Amino acid sequence: DAGITQSPRYKITETGRQVTLMCHQTWSHSYMFWYRQDLGHGLRLIYYSAAADITDKGEVPDGYVVSRSKTENFPLTLESATRSQTSVYFCASSVVDSYNSPLHFGNGTRLTVT
Amino acid sequence: AQTVTQSQPEMSVQEAETVTLSCTYDTSESDYYLFWYKQPPSRQMILVIRQEAYKQQNATENRFSVNFQKAAKSFSLKISDSQLGDAAMYFCALRNPPMDSNYQLIWGAGTKLIIKP
Repeated sequence: DAGITQSPRYKITETGRQVTLMCHQTWSHSYMFWYRQDLGHGLRLIYYSAAADITDKGEVPDGYVVSRSKTENFPLTLESATRSQTSVYFCASSVVDSYNSPLHFGNGTRLTVT
Repeated sequence: AQTVTQSQPEMSVQEAETVTLSCTYDTSESDYYLFWYKQPPSRQMILVIRQEAYKQQNATENRFSVNFQKAAKSFSLKISDSQLGDAAMYFCALRNPPMDSNYQLIWGAGTKLIIKP
């Protein structure tokens, strides 16, 4: 089915471990985004990508790494997870290079760092 | 700095009634887009409605409409004939014209909408 898929849906990991959250979209959208959602903060942008091999930092990039070797995939890696990175993570995509394009979101990954 | 404020952490409404969710924002830009997204318990973010700042006419999508007051920097969402399926978190978001390829959306903290049967 067409859409944007995130995996896993839930993840528990220990402090200091590396963890990768996956995001796959079937629309061939140019833009992809990673947000984290914390209570009382709405969504905050971690990283975004304008196209394959082009990524840039958002509002809260520290502790995260992204890559985009293919248009359809945009994985997010926590190199050494910390408790402050416990959050719900959303991947999103946008069809065109325009600020009036809505974002299409995945279902999110709830990450708990113990 | 751009900001989006949703002053109502929680709202409740009787089924079939009308409810209005508030959103105020701050930006120095003259052209921008405003969005309302819905997040049901399934967690997925769903676009409800959007409004371009240059358009004076308020956007409408079926039972959802906005009251856009540009001078007051207010962008409220009205839900008519509320249904149980409208129960969700609602987020207001602002998107400025692109500068340096930064398409960051600025999000409010959200309003939890409860529908009473």
